[in-house]
Amino acid sequence: DTGVSQNPRHKITKRGQNVTFRCDPISEHNRLYWYRQTLGQGPEFLTYFQNEAQLEKSRLLSDRFSAERPKGSFSTLEIQRTEQGDSAMYLCASSLQGMSDGYTFGSGTRLTVV
Amino acid sequence: DAKTTQPPSMDCAEGRAANLPCNHSTISGNEYVYWYRQIHSQGPQYIIHGLKNNETNEMASLIITEDRKSSTLILPHATLRDTAVYYCIVRVAWNFGNEKLTFGTGTRLTIIP
Repeated sequence: DTGVSQNPRHKITKRGQNVTFRCDPISEHNRLYWYRQTLGQGPEFLTYFQNEAQLEKSRLLSDRFSAERPKGSFSTLEIQRTEQGDSAMYLCASSLQGMSDGYTFGSGTRLTVV
Repeated sequence: DAKTTQPPSMDCAEGRAANLPCNHSTISGNEYVYWYRQIHSQGPQYIIHGLKNNETNEMASLIITEDRKSSTLILPHATLRDTAVYYCIVRVAWNFGNEKLTFGTGTRLTIIP
């Protein structure tokens, strides 16, 4: 297993366009997390899935953001009508319920909205 | 969420022990302390975690005070590759085993040659 994979690594988009990011977690991990990180700040929690169920959403996740995890495998994060304030690193992490060894993070997708 | 307080930056000489402090005075009895680090442009990397006993692994040691209101991460022999932002986090748990990590702004550790 090569760890948590995120695609694309970089995305530049024009304001108002829609973008979608993909996260492939470690295969046996049933929990998946999305975080957002802006320059100089720590990662901010966005949402959490256990299997295919989305169990927690931050108020940071406005109605322009939607996340899915069909069949409890990979996950997608879509941002509609992007704004310049959406520019950030979007990080995905996965973990296995019952294991306390922490999350495994991917390398992130860096979004730049111009 | 339990809040953690860390110094914004620290320096350490290469080869010396790096001691990174963290205050978490509002921690609850069943909440774990986690440490992660983030090297520029990469995702955070898990280092170590603990509840109330001191812990050691191949990367670091974690010392938690008896009252659990503070902890120290120790990198025993710092190398240049240990230059990173280090996050101290209290893991928040809620109904039926759900949990998440809430990051602060961390400590930027610079290892000096």
